Amino acid sequence: NAGVTQTPKFRVLKTGQSMTLLCAQDMNHEYMYWYRQDPGMGLRLIHYSVGEGTTAKGEVPDGYNVSRLKKQNFLLGLESAAPSQTSVYFCASTPSGSPYEQYFGPGTRLTVT
Amino acid sequence: AQSVTQLGSHVSVSEGALVLLRCNYSSSVPPYLFWYVQYPNQGLQLLLKYTSAATLVKGINGFEAEFKKSETSFHLTKPSAHMSDAAEYFCAVSETSYDKVIFGPGTSLSVIP
Repeated sequence: NAGVTQTPKFRVLKTGQSMTLLCAQDMNHEYMYWYRQDPGMGLRLIHYSVGEGTTAKGEVPDGYNVSRLKKQNFLLGLESAAPSQTSVYFCASTPSGSPYEQYFGPGTRLTVT
Repeated sequence: AQSVTQLGSHVSVSEGALVLLRCNYSSSVPPYLFWYVQYPNQGLQLLLKYTSAATLVKGINGFEAEFKKSETSFHLTKPSAHMSDAAEYFCAVSETSYDKVIFGPGTSLSVIP
């Protein structure tokens, strides 16, 4: 099993550009999450999904959109990138009935100039 | 509302010394508590979790944590630090719903030879 994978690993965007981050998991997990990690702030939940075709807002959803068309994939979109979105983005998943242990991907480092 | 505080953004210990990383939480209901570890350039990995069973929880790599309701604390300890323990450690809290895992700001642990 590859676990949770994220594509790309690094990206540099200019202000106003758009991009999509892909998260894929091969563990048949029901729940998937997108977090951003900023120095001194821990991880903050952007959006999450409790199953295929469903998404919900987390703590810091503004400026981001998500889609979960397939159970194994969770996409995070930035329609018009801003410097404030410079961060490390982590995807995580967890199986149904086990909300406690989240399995994390390796992260995507995004810089917006 | 849930929140997590971690006293000390950076902790240094000598190799072989006791490791103590502090975590305090606030929650309106009995919480679920977690410690995650993040090695450089990697995602987070679960160290241990408290889910209302035994108050002393043992995790991987010799770490353990004790849930103290009266102190609203969940401090992480390890009797003897190893060089490989150098990493970022995150305390997290969740109430009953899986979509509300709140992470603390993290503590960076350095181990001095």
